[in-house]
Amino acid sequence: SQQGEEDPQALSIQEGENATMNCSYKTSINNLQWYRQNSGRGLVHLILIRSNEREKHSGRLRVTLDTSKKSSSLLITASRAADTASYFCATDVGYTSGTYKYIFGTGTRLKVLA
Amino acid sequence: SQTIHQWPATLVQPVGSPLSLECTVEGTSNPNLYWYRQAAGRGLQLLFYSIGIGQISSEVPQNLSASRPQDRQFILSSKKLLLSDSGFYLCAWNRDHGYTFGSGTRLTVV
Repeated sequence: SQQGEEDPQALSIQEGENATMNCSYKTSINNLQWYRQNSGRGLVHLILIRSNEREKHSGRLRVTLDTSKKSSSLLITASRAADTASYFCATDVGYTSGTYKYIFGTGTRLKVLA
Repeated sequence: SQTIHQWPATLVQPVGSPLSLECTVEGTSNPNLYWYRQAAGRGLQLLFYSIGIGQISSEVPQNLSASRPQDRQFILSSKKLLLSDSGFYLCAWNRDHGYTFGSGTRLTVV
């Protein structure tokens, strides 16, 4: 089963509004990452938040992490049409064989209407 | 600069044909490399990862295999493709702050 599950699966908002996506996971983590994927393209790393951090900002992005609830949220403020994409969270599932492995959620498809 | 290259971008192959997808990294040495597959409208499934030449770890039993013949080269292969092998294949390189992904290969098995 998936380690990370995003919610909602799809989100449609007007340009200028804020978009909030949530991610829940099942096991303890060292860090959680958010990625963006434009249609038919590779994923682009947005932000990484470590397990000892509660909030992190990057431009119009704000990520929170609640390890007690095993959940994270990604907030995009003042959304633009160019933010239309799928957003994925990824959590590490441990360090084995010399590397961290990351499991991705199923993603939230965000559509920003101009 | 540090970059990751993946090719081809698209591929249409008949059932039963072989497959070879290549991923190379530039600007670094001894990278941790990964192959993921994404089914249409779905999340990413980790297939293989490698921490060095000749070292391959497989995550799921399947019709695919991976090889790391050189430090910065990671290859995904199949001897005989199945319809279920269709998908979007992504190579990734694990850096300190997270993954850097290649642009992906869309494979359609017909």
